[in-house]
Amino acid sequence: DAGVTQSPTHLIKTRGQQVTLRCSPKSGHDTVSWYQQALGQGPQFIFQYYEEEERQRGNFPDRFSGHQFPNYSSELNVNALLLGDSALYLCASSSRGKLGAQHFGDGTRLSIL
Amino acid sequence: GQSLEQPSEVTAVEGAIVQINCTYQTSGFYGLSWYQQHDGGAPTFLSYNALDGLEETGRFSSFLSRSDSYGYLLLQELQMKDSASYFCAVKGSQGNLIFGKGTKLSVKP
Repeated sequence: DAGVTQSPTHLIKTRGQQVTLRCSPKSGHDTVSWYQQALGQGPQFIFQYYEEEERQRGNFPDRFSGHQFPNYSSELNVNALLLGDSALYLCASSSRGKLGAQHFGDGTRLSIL
Repeated sequence: GQSLEQPSEVTAVEGAIVQINCTYQTSGFYGLSWYQQHDGGAPTFLSYNALDGLEETGRFSSFLSRSDSYGYLLLQELQMKDSASYFCAVKGSQGNLIFGKGTKLSVKP
């Protein structure tokens, strides 16, 4: 049983560029959440998708956007990249009734030069 | 606002018992989760408490007191592989997780 998978594992971009990160949830899960984790900090909630709609959003600018597909997979898009966007981006999936037990992927390490 | 407090570092010896405390202040409370994260790895779900009391899963137990806005993670029979960061996280009304800054546990031989 595959867990949460994310791609790519590492990415290097320059300021002003755009990036798309991808996530496939654990089998049986229908809700996908995205988090940003800076070094030495806890993950920060970006947004959550359920039934292909953004259900809740954290304190992140509109440069961060996302999408969920009919097969529950999801994308995170970040436009106009800033140096401060360098972080580990984590995708977490869960079933709608068990949001307290979210399962995380290994993340995408994004570096902005 | 919402905040969680947990110790930044804890050190213990192999075979010992360690307790990691977490206090929280949130507008609305829907549950407390615990996650383990090894350096360079992803957070791994350990436990979730929605109601007061103790939940036990093998060597790990988690406790919640909603009246005290307090919970803890108890790790028994510590092993070297338990060296990691441990995060408490409060579940928001829409299911988002609000994480603390994490406690780095070092297990010594």
